[in-house]
Amino acid sequence: EAQVTQNPRYLITVTGKKLTVTCSQNMNHEYMSWYRQDPGLGLRQIYYSMNVEVTDKGDVPEGYKVSRKEKRNFPLILESPSPNQTSLYFCASSLPPPGFYGYTFGSGTRLTVV
Amino acid sequence: QKEVEQDPGPLSVPEGAIVSLNCTYSNSAFQYFMWYRQYSRKGPELLMYTYSSGNKEDGRFTAQVDKSSKYISLFIRDSQPSDSATYLCAMSAGGNNRLAFGKGNQVVVIP
Repeated sequence: EAQVTQNPRYLITVTGKKLTVTCSQNMNHEYMSWYRQDPGLGLRQIYYSMNVEVTDKGDVPEGYKVSRKEKRNFPLILESPSPNQTSLYFCASSLPPPGFYGYTFGSGTRLTVV
Repeated sequence: QKEVEQDPGPLSVPEGAIVSLNCTYSNSAFQYFMWYRQYSRKGPELLMYTYSSGNKEDGRFTAQVDKSSKYISLFIRDSQPSDSATYLCAMSAGGNNRLAFGKGNQVVVIP
């Protein structure tokens, strides 16, 4: 089944403790992206990647890091999480060009930072 | 002015009613228009896809694009409780341009 898989689905952590949310897609998509979704603010793009080793900032990149060493994986790293990063996170992927095909989203990771 | 405006107010309708959702946008370069459906605790999934102006119908769903007014709509006929979800509009100028999303509209269909 074609899908984007995120792990974990739920995560509660403490301020300052580094964490990684994994994202993997099995559709051979070149484009991948991370979003956070907050009530009243909608989906906001954190980082995106046009291809392996090519990443760029989205609208809200502060406090996040990403890497794209392989086409299928695009992990999101929070090196020192803070409570304002409590949110619902989605990974998405797309065939190129992303503006034409639309995205396939993962099921989400609900992160709580206390 | 935000690039994409979508009134996020929850919408409750009785089963069988027509649901009407809409978005407005400011970027005249947008030419690819999509609607995503997001169930609770799930990721958004692509529901409808339209290129440029016009209508597209898929079963009980109809998507309309009016580029002259910068306005897109989604209609759900004979709404069912299973249509209860948040609906997000999204649009793009194409190419490597990313999708711009509306904030989403929560729809509740009451049996």
